[in-house]
Amino acid sequence: DTGVSQDPRHKITKRGQNVTFRCDPISEHNRLYWYRQTLGQGPEFLTYFQNEAQLEKSRLLSDRFSAERPKGSFSTLEIQRTEQGDSAMYLCASSLNGGELFFGEGSRLTVL
Amino acid sequence: QKEVEQDPGPLSVPEGAIVSLNCTYSNSAFQYFMWYRQYSRKGPELLMYTYSSGNKEDGRFTAQVDKSSKYISLFIRDSQPSDSATYLCAMSKSGSARQLTFGSGTQLTVLP
Repeated sequence: DTGVSQDPRHKITKRGQNVTFRCDPISEHNRLYWYRQTLGQGPEFLTYFQNEAQLEKSRLLSDRFSAERPKGSFSTLEIQRTEQGDSAMYLCASSLNGGELFFGEGSRLTVL
Repeated sequence: QKEVEQDPGPLSVPEGAIVSLNCTYSNSAFQYFMWYRQYSRKGPELLMYTYSSGNKEDGRFTAQVDKSSKYISLFIRDSQPSDSATYLCAMSKSGSARQLTFGSGTQLTVLP
């Protein structure tokens, strides 16, 4: 499978714990995006990388959130001190030079 | 008020019906318009991409953009049960899709 891969697919955690999600984009894609989708809503933009550089961050990305793409390949999204409001699907997408976005199947976070 | 408004449905139609899905937007800076399809527990996948006002057809799907009214539509002809999914409109201010703004999605069920 050469699509966008996300791991884990589902994470259940207790409030206050830290969680980390990983995204492996399509191999030749230089751009990588993180979106968040809550139930009954469309995805909301969080941040975007071109190669290893994080070029845009949404105001939704509070200081508890940090994203990295250290070698311009896979990316991680970490949420510290999780809150119940963080419960959502975290979607990763990749594109080649800003073309069509290909989304992964998402990582679902449940904060108890 | 959200920048992009979409009727959430749910919408239920018999197989073979013509389906009309719509979004309105408030920000005239949006120049590029997309429709995504999202099956349950999957990431969104791109269906249609349009730039200018007018119609664009692809098989059973027709995307329509009216920039003067800030209104976009997706028509599905001869709907099939396999079309049952959530349909999301999305917009961006540039062709290089750094940041997409999504509607909340319309859940469609096509009954056999």
